Amino acid sequence: QSALTQPRSVSGSPGQSVTISCTGTSSDVGGYNYVSWYQQHPGKAPKLMIYDVSKRPSGVPDRFSGSKSGNTASLTISGLQAEDEADYYCCSYAGSYTPYVFGTGTKVTVL
Amino acid sequence: EVQLVQSGAEVKKPGESLKISCKGSGYSFTSYWIGWVRQMPGKGLEWMGIIYPGDSDTRYSPSFQGQVTISADKSISTAYLQWSSLKASDTAMYYCARQAARGNWFDPWGQGTLVTVSS
Repeated sequence: QSALTQPRSVSGSPGQSVTISCTGTSSDVGGYNYVSWYQQHPGKAPKLMIYDVSKRPSGVPDRFSGSKSGNTASLTISGLQAEDEADYYCCSYAGSYTPYVFGTGTKVTVL
Repeated sequence: EVQLVQSGAEVKKPGESLKISCKGSGYSFTSYWIGWVRQMPGKGLEWMGIIYPGDSDTRYSPSFQGQVTISADKSISTAYLQWSSLKASDTAMYYCARQAARGNWFDPWGQGTLVTVSS
């Protein structure tokens, strides 16, 4: 079971949009609509931002959105804000035997 | 309020054993899976394993199978992660997190337990 592949870093100016990809296989991302995304600020615990590919928990700003096509899921941050600067991780369900796998993580920098 | 509170930081020597804990409150502890996640210094999140406290059903990532033991004591609403013989490479932050009741995501997360293994 290999980690899902994410870009190491993405950046954008305030107000711009950035998209983070998360590529897996048909055994994880492509096989289930169970991709979640987590935001992690330095020294803090991860925070759920998106679940079930595209659903937002209450309290998460609607500038965060998720989607999936085939074996690749994506997180888009629209209207980038300074507080969005953090690390982001995708996570996919991968079956009942070894249920989960995380992505490699992406650092989002707000220029 | 649903909360997961983890035990404090640990400093251990190679070869020593260790058990860290994650106490759930504000919900029915036996009805939700609890997962454990490793984050080595400066690195990403790695899923280690998961336990259902109701019946102690446990699943491990192949990378961690045989390296750690996940358990739970439902009488005190606490999940555990333990090592029988620590290595320097076990130095990391460890998080517990609750899986959704009818879903496949994790929320909330514990605050993390930093484990340092050094001679």
